[in-house]
Amino acid sequence: KQEVTQIPAALSVPEGENLVLNCSFTDSAIYNLQWFRQDPGKGLTSLLLIQSSQREQTSGRLNASLDKSSGRSTLYIAASQPGDSATYLCAAGGYSTLTFGKGTMLLVSP
Amino acid sequence: SAVISQKPSRDICQRGTSLTIQCQVDSQVTMMFWYRQQPGQSLTLIATANQGSEATYESGFVIDKFPISRPNLTFSTLTVSNMSPEDSSIYLCSVRRERQQETQYFGPGTRLLVL
Repeated sequence: KQEVTQIPAALSVPEGENLVLNCSFTDSAIYNLQWFRQDPGKGLTSLLLIQSSQREQTSGRLNASLDKSSGRSTLYIAASQPGDSATYLCAAGGYSTLTFGKGTMLLVSP
Repeated sequence: SAVISQKPSRDICQRGTSLTIQCQVDSQVTMMFWYRQQPGQSLTLIATANQGSEATYESGFVIDKFPISRPNLTFSTLTVSNMSPEDSSIYLCSVRRERQQETQYFGPGTRLLVL
């Protein structure tokens, strides 16, 4: 059974810092790895999808990497802004379903 | 992308009652899912809603407690039956256009409080 772990559980940084969120998964036989953002009281917004054959994906200030063999993914956020404050979830994609981690709660202070 | 709406957005219910949550997608999709997010926890898949047939439930979830309908490729409902305070959660509808290797999209969620 796939298990997904995210470290740290919470992170507080001043505006402008670069930061890295970590995600690990136990079963390397994944089809993809997806990163989401969840704002308080809201649903999930998809940020990046990395296919199993890819090593990384970039969107604006976000860069996600995937190392299937070691069961790890990272989400790099450059030049953080207060608007980046949210909970970030990673999810390992199986044949038809996603397995989620518990998330990293990020607070970026002005 | 896919635009997903859910009704109701939130509700407060009495124990022993049932609530039906609706999920509407702006275009046809192959896969529709229902997730639960309990307070302070991550998302747990309840079931995959199959068009024209019975939903596929994950371990720990049963049809009598969470009956699901999917009459077409854009609509699904989840009913939370005989509710107890432990059912207080956010319930999220999610879709994917194809079976795999595609971005999965989520609705805004239904916040349920059972007293």
